[in-house]
Amino acid sequence: GAGVSQSPSNKVTEKGKDVELRCDPISGHTALYWYRQSLGQGLEFLIYFQGNSAPDKSGLPSDRFSAERTGGSVSTLTIQRTQQEDSAVYLCASSFQGGNQETQYFGPGTRLLVL
Amino acid sequence: LAKTTQPISMDSYEGQEVNITCSHNNIATNDYITWYQQFPSQGPRFIIQGYKTKVTNEVASLFIPADRKSSTLSLPRVSLSDTAVYYCLVERSGAGSYQLTFGKGTKLSVIP
Repeated sequence: GAGVSQSPSNKVTEKGKDVELRCDPISGHTALYWYRQSLGQGLEFLIYFQGNSAPDKSGLPSDRFSAERTGGSVSTLTIQRTQQEDSAVYLCASSFQGGNQETQYFGPGTRLLVL
Repeated sequence: LAKTTQPISMDSYEGQEVNITCSHNNIATNDYITWYQQFPSQGPRFIIQGYKTKVTNEVASLFIPADRKSSTLSLPRVSLSDTAVYYCLVERSGAGSYQLTFGKGTKLSVIP
């Protein structure tokens, strides 16, 4: 089946505006992860959804960031009042059940530029 | 969670074996070690995962010493298409929680 898809692929916004980034995980995968990758940097873990459990939000950098996962499938990462330092590639990944013994399948990312 | 450290960059000629070492001194008993490969403008791709000793698959080997404070990714006979950034990852999961530390990555350049 199809891999993880993300939309939009690119997003340019003005400082102070809100943005929504979408992730469609692989069908049947119950775990979903969001990461941020700034230019030339490694991956920064943001949030983890596993099944119907409450998400692990420990990686979210500020209260301007939030994420939802509706119906255990599609997820939306929302950044409110965007700042220039939010400019990065936002990557989504999914895995079958979640946990530290599984392969994560990554999407192509959404490139966010805040002017 | 264990902090990971790996070399920023490495160069290798085609056909050589490449070993990339990652240190994770504070690794805990239940943590797993995973390596990912990332090409420009793409998401990372799983290479290999291990807990201890040696793991081998069709693309790489992973060596983890008994103290698990480091791990070495071994790529046999690299080709130009192996030029990428390689990330070491320590993962810990529990009931509904998940923690991980990605290293900053090692940029491997394969030279003809």
